[in-house]
Amino acid sequence: EAGVTQFPSHSVIEKGQTVTLRCDPISGHDNLYWYRRVMGKEIKFLLHFVKESKQDESGMPNNRFLAERTGGTYSTLKVQPAELEDSGVYFCASSQFPRSNTEAFFGQGTRLTVV
Amino acid sequence: AQSVAQPEDQVNVAEGNPLTVKCTYSVSGNPYLFWYVQYPNRGLQFLLKYITGDNLVKGSYGFEAEFNKSQTSFHLKKPSALVSDSALYFCAVRDKMDSSYKLIFGSGTRLLVRP
Repeated sequence: EAGVTQFPSHSVIEKGQTVTLRCDPISGHDNLYWYRRVMGKEIKFLLHFVKESKQDESGMPNNRFLAERTGGTYSTLKVQPAELEDSGVYFCASSQFPRSNTEAFFGQGTRLTVV
Repeated sequence: AQSVAQPEDQVNVAEGNPLTVKCTYSVSGNPYLFWYVQYPNRGLQFLLKYITGDNLVKGSYGFEAEFNKSQTSFHLKKPSALVSDSALYFCAVRDKMDSSYKLIFGSGTRLLVRP
């Protein structure tokens, strides 16, 4: 069974450009999460989808970030326009059951560098 | 507010010696606690979790962790370290009473096991 897949693994863009990150969750997992780790600090929650609906988007930093999950399968996270402080590693995770005691399975992350 | 502290940026240990990676947490209710590991160029891998019951939890690769409610700690341990255990370790918490399923992570601890 394939795990959580993220694309691209690395992205280097200039300030002001747009970048779209993609996440393919484990098949059958309704719950999909985005997290971000900036500058070696803690990993911070961005948002949570249940199928195609946004369950919790309290961690989204500002309106330059747009997450979608059309059809409840893969998800995209768009940053437009990118700023220097958006650099970091973006992780996607998925879980099958909407229970807080279940672990989430993470992808390998997308390392975003804004120059 | 929920938080996780990993007080050591790096832990160094000789192969064959016991290791401990420290984690303390703060939640308003009762916690679900998790440990994840990130090997170089890999995603976050689930190691173990505490949900309820026995305070000593055993996980993958010979790791275990002890939940201590009075000290609000969940330290990760292994009786005999391997060079291959060298990686970045993250502690995370969820509040059982929180309707959101997001994980709150610590800043990570780098474990270096020398031969």
